[in-house]
Amino acid sequence: NAGVTQTPKFRILKIGQSMTLQCTQDMNHNYMYWYRQDPGMGLKLIYYSVGAGITDKGEVPNGYNVSRSTTEDFPLRLELAAPSQTSVYFCASSEADKVYEQYFGPGTRLTVT
Amino acid sequence: AQSVTQLGSHVSVSEGALVLLRCNYSSSVPPYLFWYVQYPNQGLQLLLKYTTGATLVKGINGFEAEFKKSETSFHLTKPSAHMSDAAEYFCAVTPSGTGGFKTIFGAGTRLFVKA
Repeated sequence: NAGVTQTPKFRILKIGQSMTLQCTQDMNHNYMYWYRQDPGMGLKLIYYSVGAGITDKGEVPNGYNVSRSTTEDFPLRLELAAPSQTSVYFCASSEADKVYEQYFGPGTRLTVT
Repeated sequence: AQSVTQLGSHVSVSEGALVLLRCNYSSSVPPYLFWYVQYPNQGLQLLLKYTTGATLVKGINGFEAEFKKSETSFHLTKPSAHMSDAAEYFCAVTPSGTGGFKTIFGAGTRLFVKA
C-alpha cells in the first residue's frame, strides 16, 4: 500500500513551457485534491475531484487544468508556465465518508524561470 | 467565511520542555478542526482532529489539542518535546457539512527543538 504517490519530485520549467504533475493513490479514495504551498503561506486548493469524471475549481485554479479518468489518477496540467507558479504542489485524497481526513503525497517542487 | 491564524511562524523549545502551538479560527458554522504535521521533504500527515464530542482530543506522538469555542481556539500541546518533533505544523478548519474541499489551512508554525 503506497498511499499517494507524486511524480516528479522536482522540476525546473522555462516560462511558457507546459508539464503534467502526476498523482496516483491506491486507497480507492473517491475524493482527490491538488494544493500548492508557497513559503509562509498555508496550502491553497487548486482543484478537487469527488470521483472519476467529476472535477471542480478550488481557490486558485487559474493557469491549471485537471482530469480524472480513473479513481486512482488525478493529473494536474500546467499550460504556459509562469514564475508565479513556482511552488510546491501536493496531491491528497480522502474517503467519501471521511472527507476531512486527507492523505497527502510527498509533493513536487516546481521552479519556473 | 472561514479563516485560520497561527500565532508565531517559528517556535523554539528545549528538549523535554512543553510544546504549545497556537491556533485561532473563525467560522460561520460549527467547525471541524485539524492539526497536520509536515516533516522535511514530506507531505502533510494528520496529527489529530476535532469533529464532535469531547473537546480535548489526543493525537499521535503524544500531542493533544483542546477545542475552546468561547475563545475560538484549538491550540496544540505536548508535555515534553522530543528532537523528532522538529517539523512544521499546520492548523486547518473545515466548516462542518461541506467536505474536505472547503478546508482552510493556516500559514504554519515551524517547531525547533534544542538539545
